[in-house]
Amino acid sequence: GAGVSQSPSNKVTEKGKDVELRCDPISGHTALYWYRQSLGQGLEFLIYFQGNSAPDKSGLPSDRFSAERTGGSVSTLTIQRTQQEDSAVYLCASSLGGGGAGELFFGEGSRLTVL
Amino acid sequence: RKEVEQDPGPFNVPEGATVAFNCTYSNSASQSFFWYRQDCRKEPKLLMSVYSSGNEDGRFTAQLNRASQYISLLIRDSKLSDSATYLCAVTEGSNYKLTFGKGTLLTVNP
Repeated sequence: GAGVSQSPSNKVTEKGKDVELRCDPISGHTALYWYRQSLGQGLEFLIYFQGNSAPDKSGLPSDRFSAERTGGSVSTLTIQRTQQEDSAVYLCASSLGGGGAGELFFGEGSRLTVL
Repeated sequence: RKEVEQDPGPFNVPEGATVAFNCTYSNSASQSFFWYRQDCRKEPKLLMSVYSSGNEDGRFTAQLNRASQYISLLIRDSKLSDSATYLCAVTEGSNYKLTFGKGTLLTVNP
């Protein structure tokens, strides 16, 4: 597709379960970001991938959160043992280079609800 | 002090009005600045970059004040379709990590 694709668009899970969120960036974009947005809150940076460089994981809120990017393209964000405070919209974005150099293109997000 | 701060609003203005938003940032080493627009339950989309000399795109004008560490967005002749949340975004010193403000909600009324 032409844009950033995320799946699932909606996920309802029970507390304690693991979830995986997927992001398929725009072809050719080397930079990939994960943000999350809670109700009434701004975008919270989670993790950044750039090419083959080590990712910047400084925004991951706990060790229950992890992300990988395979082959420089698709990325998966995994949340283990979900908690209610994990409920949010998880947004993936990609760009040609780093955020300072170019526009971030966001996917429509994965809305996670933890019961 | 939060890294990027915005007045959350809401700003309610009539059609045709001029409205301005400010956004302050705490990191003096920040290099790149942007305004994003986010419609209700949609993803953010880039509205415009903010250049040191200021820049204009139609009814929208963005300015940067490095000395006071803020950026501004001016919308002239507001349209109903301008109703949205406006997010400012600032890069950290690394120049790739975009930090967003919480956004300012604008409602343009007929």
